[in-house]
Amino acid sequence: KNQVEQSPQSLIILEGKNCTLQCNYTVSPFSNLRWYKQDTGRGPVSLTIMTFSENTKSNGRYTATLDADTKQSSLHITASQLSDSASYICVVTFDRGSTLGRLYFGRGTQLTVWP
Amino acid sequence: NAGVTQTPKFRILKIGQSMTLQCTQDMNHNYMYWYRQDPGMGLKLIYYSVGAGITDKGEVPNGYNVSRSTTEDFPLRLELAAPSQTSVYFCASSYTEGGRGRGNTIYFGEGSWLTVV
Repeated sequence: KNQVEQSPQSLIILEGKNCTLQCNYTVSPFSNLRWYKQDTGRGPVSLTIMTFSENTKSNGRYTATLDADTKQSSLHITASQLSDSASYICVVTFDRGSTLGRLYFGRGTQLTVWP
Repeated sequence: NAGVTQTPKFRILKIGQSMTLQCTQDMNHNYMYWYRQDPGMGLKLIYYSVGAGITDKGEVPNGYNVSRSTTEDFPLRLELAAPSQTSVYFCASSYTEGGRGRGNTIYFGEGSWLTVV
């Protein structure tokens, strides 16, 4: 069964600290993996997109890694800021050939950054 | 840049009522999608469209209908609202086929909070 599991479910850190969010997936065959940031009351906003051939992608203080062999990805946030408080969603695309790529969404990790 | 615009932002419906969630995008994207997000759950695909005049069901289409008369607009119709349809609804769009390719970013609207009582 194709699934995307994220951990931890929630995380609290102090401003300025680093943190790492995890994403494990069973989606196969896999086309790409994305990380989205969703602020409370807003729509998801894309942070990174990686294909199966890429193992790291950065976007400012956000760095995503991918191990396609173990089907694991992580999102590392450096020098956290209060504005990083949000839900971070891992999304994996199931590659079904010529038909529409099916997206599998994780439930998200709720990150809270305290001053 | 407007991107993907959804209306209304909030709505309360009574059981059995009908309504339409509006979605429009100004990026000339062919692909558009409707998702619902239940508390603590991942987004689920309701319907999608690969271009004007073409729509298809996603994972959870029951109780909904869509149309795509223009490239820009993709309204979602709720017929006979039920409490199980209480959720947050997101419209999204992409230039190419959803999820495919490294550069294929999917853009989401701000969401529509729907409560059925």
